[in-house]
Amino acid sequence: QSALTQPPSVSGAAGQRVTISCTGSSSNIGAGYDVHWYQQVPGTAPKLLIYGNNNRPSGVPDRFSGSKSGTSASLAITGLQAEDEADYYCQSYDSSLSGSGVFGTGTKVTVL
Amino acid sequence: QVQLQESGPGLVKPSQTLSLTCTVSGDSVSSTSYYWSWIRQPAGKGLEWIGRIFPSGSTNYNPSLKSRVTISIDTSKNQFSLKMMSVTAADTAVYYCARVHSSGYFHWGQGTLVTVSS
Repeated sequence: QSALTQPPSVSGAAGQRVTISCTGSSSNIGAGYDVHWYQQVPGTAPKLLIYGNNNRPSGVPDRFSGSKSGTSASLAITGLQAEDEADYYCQSYDSSLSGSGVFGTGTKVTVL
Repeated sequence: QVQLQESGPGLVKPSQTLSLTCTVSGDSVSSTSYYWSWIRQPAGKGLEWIGRIFPSGSTNYNPSLKSRVTISIDTSKNQFSLKMMSVTAADTAVYYCARVHSSGYFHWGQGTLVTVSS
């Protein structure tokens, strides 16, 4: 059972804004651990999208943004593009699991 | 730019031991700025953290896998490795190795598929 919960799917028309939630608990996100986000196109390795809750690595478009509050985090994609269709995962750590890494359940983004 | 490459058998028989190696280029596994992890992903499913190793050799494992998993590091070859004992079909997955930044995020290898089947 995953420690971080995401909606299975979100969709939006090209150009629209979508958000993906990542719900944790007091032993992971709420304990102060940073949240990181990855984009995974089927058949390829995950790619870092957001690190440290709200930081974009070089080369990631500013259409992607992250936030964290309490025991949850969110990823927002503005100006949705066809190339954004992929699976998205949040990631953090959990003190109740001896500091193990934990991933979200994953969200499939579909561009209508 | 760091690169990580997983290698090992693509087919393992049930009850046997899965062994994978991650070869690192463009960085040193001895670097104190990072540590190293294994993650897996069954087909069509989500990501599962397996464990991590620090340059000192200290390790942490997913509690659900701890009894079967060992991660080791070979600084002379700039590699780190995963061994998983007593595998079953449920261990069939793409296995990724990753470099982990001090703030906890991953830089991934391309992954390797391991199938457990007789």
